[in-house]
Amino acid sequence: KTQVEQSPQSLVVRQGENCVLQCNYSVTPDNHLRWFKQDTGKGLVSLTVLVHENDKTSNGRYSATLDKDAKHSTLHITATLLDDTATYICVVGDRGSALGRLHFGAGTQLIVIP
Amino acid sequence: EAAVTQSPRNKVTVTGGNVTLSCRQTNSHNYMYWYRQDTGHGLRLIHYSYGAGNLQIGDVPDGYKATRTTQEDFFLLLELASPSQTSLYFCASSDALGGGEQYFGPGTRLTVL
Repeated sequence: KTQVEQSPQSLVVRQGENCVLQCNYSVTPDNHLRWFKQDTGKGLVSLTVLVHENDKTSNGRYSATLDKDAKHSTLHITATLLDDTATYICVVGDRGSALGRLHFGAGTQLIVIP
Repeated sequence: EAAVTQSPRNKVTVTGGNVTLSCRQTNSHNYMYWYRQDTGHGLRLIHYSYGAGNLQIGDVPDGYKATRTTQEDFFLLLELASPSQTSLYFCASSDALGGGEQYFGPGTRLTVL
């Protein structure tokens, strides 16, 4: 049973536009949520981690929110660049240590066109 | 310098073939993991280990063996490869007290014909 659902599955935007990616989950407990960027055929690179109820983080043009009550997170990308073309993966950790498990979403494929 | 490396990066074999995927981490982490990534699915955990000589079963272990020879090295073995094992394989490492963050290698693309 999929415990982390991401939407949309894919998204095409024009360079310079903003976009929002969604992550809904049912993982319990939900210790933390991390967003990764994965370039095609490459490894996962961490963008940001959210830990607390109503957390908000910012990392350059990437910003994210977490609503633990709703079990929902968003990733905002502002002023997209061609290099933002990638798959963005939402991951929920059920503990704050290596004893926990990570639950992965299937990803949102973002394509940025000129 | 990449802290988690995998080899080979690409591998093609035939059904019934014997394949070993290698992973090395220089993070001095105790935990290492093997995942597979398939279209439409999130990464799925195959096996993991919390130290040399230790092996734990993940969520999709069938058809896979693994061995952790040292703190740095973790191997994934497919002794009778099948087309269903065609996938992108990732290795990761984490520290026991690292807040649950895992560091991923670049991946190995395996094709079983």
